[in-house]
Amino acid sequence: GAGVSQSPSNKVTEKGKDVELRCDPISGHTALYWYRQSLGQGLEFLIYFQGNSAPDKSGLPSDRFSAERTGGSVSTLTIQRTQQEDSAVYLCASSSMDRAAFFGQGTRLTVV
Amino acid sequence: RKEVEQDPGPFNVPEGATVAFNCTYSNSASQSFFWYRQDCRKEPKLLMSVYSSGNEDGRFTAQLNRASQYISLLIRDSKLSDSATYLCVVNIPSGTYKYIFGTGTRLKVLA
Repeated sequence: GAGVSQSPSNKVTEKGKDVELRCDPISGHTALYWYRQSLGQGLEFLIYFQGNSAPDKSGLPSDRFSAERTGGSVSTLTIQRTQQEDSAVYLCASSSMDRAAFFGQGTRLTVV
Repeated sequence: RKEVEQDPGPFNVPEGATVAFNCTYSNSASQSFFWYRQDCRKEPKLLMSVYSSGNEDGRFTAQLNRASQYISLLIRDSKLSDSATYLCVVNIPSGTYKYIFGTGTRLKVLA
């Protein structure tokens, strides 16, 4: 596609439920990043993929968070047993090597 | 020390003013630097890359100072539409291309 696509754009879930967030990067971009942004806060790095492997998972807040990338393309971020503090905008970005990263419009997650 | 630091602002400036932001980074081996703009409740968008020789795009000028480990963004003739949060981005070299974002500097251009 022309840009990074994320789905869903909005997700409201009940506390304790699992959610899956999807990111479809720009075609040909080998690097994919997940960030989280709480209201009024900066971007928090979660995880980075180079191809299908994740060299850096250091930003995942807890073991309830996991991510995978298949075929060097689509990535899924899964949050298990969601908590209210997980409410945030989850942003995905992709880049080619060390070039600039381009962002999707994000998934706004609300845990009630 | 944080990997990337920015003054959060806000910087309140009148239309037509010149304003400059700095961003410091801690890893001297960093190679790639960028400025992004983020509007309220929107995703960050690339404003410009920062090259060693400095680069200019219309009213915007970006500079890199490797010796002091900071990058700067200068905006001339500020417009109301420049009001946004400006994020600096630095790559952390560790065999990969992990990008770290600063928390951003808020700019308000006043009529």
